[in-house]
Amino acid sequence: DAGVTQSPTHLIKTRGQQVTLRCSPKSGHDTVSWYQQALGQGPQFIFQYYEEEERQRGNFPDRFSGHQFPNYSSELNVNALLLGDSALYLCASRPTPAVNYRSGYTFGSGTRLTVV
Amino acid sequence: AQSVSQHNHHVILSEAASLELGCNYSYGGTVNLFWYVQYPGQHLQLLLKYFSGDPLVKGIKGFEAEFIKSKFSFNLRKPSVQWCDTAEYFCAVNGFQKLVFGTGTRLLVSP
Repeated sequence: DAGVTQSPTHLIKTRGQQVTLRCSPKSGHDTVSWYQQALGQGPQFIFQYYEEEERQRGNFPDRFSGHQFPNYSSELNVNALLLGDSALYLCASRPTPAVNYRSGYTFGSGTRLTVV
Repeated sequence: AQSVSQHNHHVILSEAASLELGCNYSYGGTVNLFWYVQYPGQHLQLLLKYFSGDPLVKGIKGFEAEFIKSKFSFNLRKPSVQWCDTAEYFCAVNGFQKLVFGTGTRLLVSP
């Protein structure tokens, strides 16, 4: 059990469509980050949410957006899907550094998105 | 900008062989370093982490890593691998608010 729950596990979408991926962080964690892992690559940071605000963003276009809810869960939205958006999307959570700055990130199992 | 380089993309070993996976990083600030493992079909799991103190870090499942500041390295080691260590291994550095990962090393351990 990863502690971080992501849904759905697999998804197939058509080019131009929009997709929403969901993440529930590990209990006690309030900071959520999203990563994209393309085939054969390491995870790439998309953005991080804390206190319902985007705190840091990686090098991804505005088609990628997110949201964090009061219960700390989060959504990743991707608009105008491209074939190149096909990847494993990972959610990671951790507690606030003030609580435990030595805590690493806990990752979910990911959502496999295929764009056709 | 932070970056992580993993030199070996694919490694094949026989059971009981010793393992060393290379990791070099580039980061100007205080480094926090991690090794994650991804078993087939499973989520990323933390093997070990370095924040400060003893540069030799021991993790789960018999893995250890040594932080060598002068070489900007954080190599992963295991004295004797097992078939169940077959997985992909990722080195990561904690930049501001995010993890920067290497491209990963696929390890195949043959029985």
